[in-house]
Amino acid sequence: EVQLVQSGAEVKKPGESLKISCKGSGYSFTDYWIGWVRQMPGKGLEWVGIIYPDDSDTRYSPSFQGQVTISADKSISTAYLQWSSLKASDTAMYYCARPARGSGSYVDYWGQGTLVTVSS
Amino acid sequence: QSALTQPASVSESPGQSITISCTGTSSDVGAYNYVSWYQQHPGKAPKIMIYDVSNRPSGVSNRFSGSKSGNTAFLTISGLQAEDEATYYCSSYTTDSVLELFGGGTKLTVL
Repeated sequence: EVQLVQSGAEVKKPGESLKISCKGSGYSFTDYWIGWVRQMPGKGLEWVGIIYPDDSDTRYSPSFQGQVTISADKSISTAYLQWSSLKASDTAMYYCARPARGSGSYVDYWGQGTLVTVSS
Repeated sequence: QSALTQPASVSESPGQSITISCTGTSSDVGAYNYVSWYQQHPGKAPKIMIYDVSNRPSGVSNRFSGSKSGNTAFLTISGLQAEDEATYYCSSYTTDSVLELFGGGTKLTVL
């Protein structure tokens, strides 16, 4: 059974750093892209970016380029989303998501979500 | 890049049918048969309901169906049930990005 299990909720202050994780199991982690989708409170879904764990090829949505870093450790089947300096506007639920085919494909598996709250 | 356009909300009575539209452009919905629909209940992760315009994943009720005409895709839910009350998002492959493009979401209320 394919599963994406994300790290727990985080509460941070503006300016702090953060790295959240998503561990894949039940499939060959290096054969699929894996990415992150943001959902701000009461709002819709937005792709943050995506990575191909086998070679670490990483693509970002223009809105997030330079704002976050996506990485993966294929030895432990885990993808990461990282901020170096959080802002209040980063407050959102972040889902990891596995596209069924290429990077622009529909998502067939989702993580349970990690709620990030940034507040002074 | 603009999101695909969906109505913000729709409502219908149990047992009836409803159709949700999703309008894009000739660079996304109109260009490919790669439109999908997700269902999201409050506090839950999205769930794929339809992919490649009209295909249902295993386990999804046949009350859900999808279609497309030109730059607009449609999700139809027949025999509405209380459990169908959720927000529905369309998405499409697009020539303008390596990432799937989402719609703004439609909140379905089953009266």
